[in-house]
Amino acid sequence: SQKIEQNSEALNIQEGKTATLTCNYTNYSPAYLQWYRQDPGRGPVFLLLIRENEKEKRKERLKVTFDTTLKQSLFHITASQPADSATYLCAAQNSGNTPLVFGKGTRLSVIA
Amino acid sequence: NAGVTQTPKFQVLKTGQSMTLQCAQDMNHNSMYWYRQDPGMGLRLIYYSASEGTTDKGEVPNGYNVSRLNKREFSLRLESAAPSQTSVYFCASSTTGSNQPQHFGDGTRLSIL
Repeated sequence: SQKIEQNSEALNIQEGKTATLTCNYTNYSPAYLQWYRQDPGRGPVFLLLIRENEKEKRKERLKVTFDTTLKQSLFHITASQPADSATYLCAAQNSGNTPLVFGKGTRLSVIA
Repeated sequence: NAGVTQTPKFQVLKTGQSMTLQCAQDMNHNSMYWYRQDPGMGLRLIYYSASEGTTDKGEVPNGYNVSRLNKREFSLRLESAAPSQTSVYFCASSTTGSNQPQHFGDGTRLSIL
């Protein structure tokens, strides 16, 4: 079955460092990957989308990569801040308006 | 802008009771979704509606029914609640097509005793 795996359940990082979160997929060749942020007690909020023919996408301090050979996406937050502490979800989608498949998320804690 | 609104925010039910969770969006989106989120399981799709008048099963549809009442509203019904349906339920909406981001409500926390 199609699987989206976010390898780390939790990640602690010091303020100012770059946080790197990993999303791997198996039995799957998604056309798109999306990343969401979820704060406690709130719904997920969309951050970035990357297509399979894009190697990298940036938005302010965020960067996402998509490596179809490794079947992996990396999500980077540079110059991390305590306000970046949240759970980050990876989601994959085939083309053709098929539903998103979500990973279980990685809880990031940025320590001052 | 309200975005996606879910009601109620919290609910406690007894086993066997029925309940309808309401969801409305004001973004003129065609597609709407219902997910459940459980610790260690992530977000799992229950049902979705690609457009008004259509509904499709997701990964975990058993024990649930849905109604796409109109373009704005998509409800989720538990006919006979079971403790295994204790979860946080999220509604989301998006424009039609692949590569569209989804907009989520803040969830309904449902406990079934």
